[in-house]
Amino acid sequence: EDQVTQSPEALRLQEGESSSLNCSYTVSGLRGLFWYRQDPGKGPEFLFTLYSAGEEKEKERLKATLTKKESFLHITAPKPEDSATYLCAVQAYNQGGKLIFGQGTELSVKP
Amino acid sequence: DAGITQSPRHKVTETGTPVTLRCHQTENHRYMYWYRQDPGHGLRLIHYSYGVKDTDKGEVSDGYSVSRSKTEDFLLTLESATSSQTSVYFCAISGDTNQPQHFGDGTRLSIL
Repeated sequence: EDQVTQSPEALRLQEGESSSLNCSYTVSGLRGLFWYRQDPGKGPEFLFTLYSAGEEKEKERLKATLTKKESFLHITAPKPEDSATYLCAVQAYNQGGKLIFGQGTELSVKP
Repeated sequence: DAGITQSPRHKVTETGTPVTLRCHQTENHRYMYWYRQDPGHGLRLIHYSYGVKDTDKGEVSDGYSVSRSKTEDFLLTLESATSSQTSVYFCAISGDTNQPQHFGDGTRLSIL
């Protein structure tokens, strides 16, 4: 069964304190791994897609990496506006584009 | 923002009543999806569509039906709402299965 587990469930950081969020997955043939950001009362906002082990993508203070079993979202020198819930999802081949989501990591960055 | 509009944004209704949620897109994307989001479960796929009148079930499809008569509209219907269907419902769209899905801002549905 395809499964995604994110840790920690919640993370509190001080502004400027770098850290990482983890996404562990099991999937029968990974087609892609997706990271989203979700603000309260809003829908998920697409951040990155990773397709193969060793791949990295960057956007401002965020960098996503991928191995055969997990993905990390590294946050460098975070700011309060980075506070949100970060969601990880995987997509398998021959599944019609279906995404399997983890439960998310709620990140809070205090000034 | 991707051109996705969900309506209504909030709804309160009673057990046993029919409910229809609408997702409207202006991107002319082929694929449309309905998810529900619940504490402790994350986002789960209900149904999806890969073209006009072409739909398939997701992992939590029981109690839900969908219809897509036009490229831009995807309707989710709860034929007889139950309290277990209280949730936040999100619509998503993508141009193809290998493209990222973009989400609307959701409908908060409460069934009393």
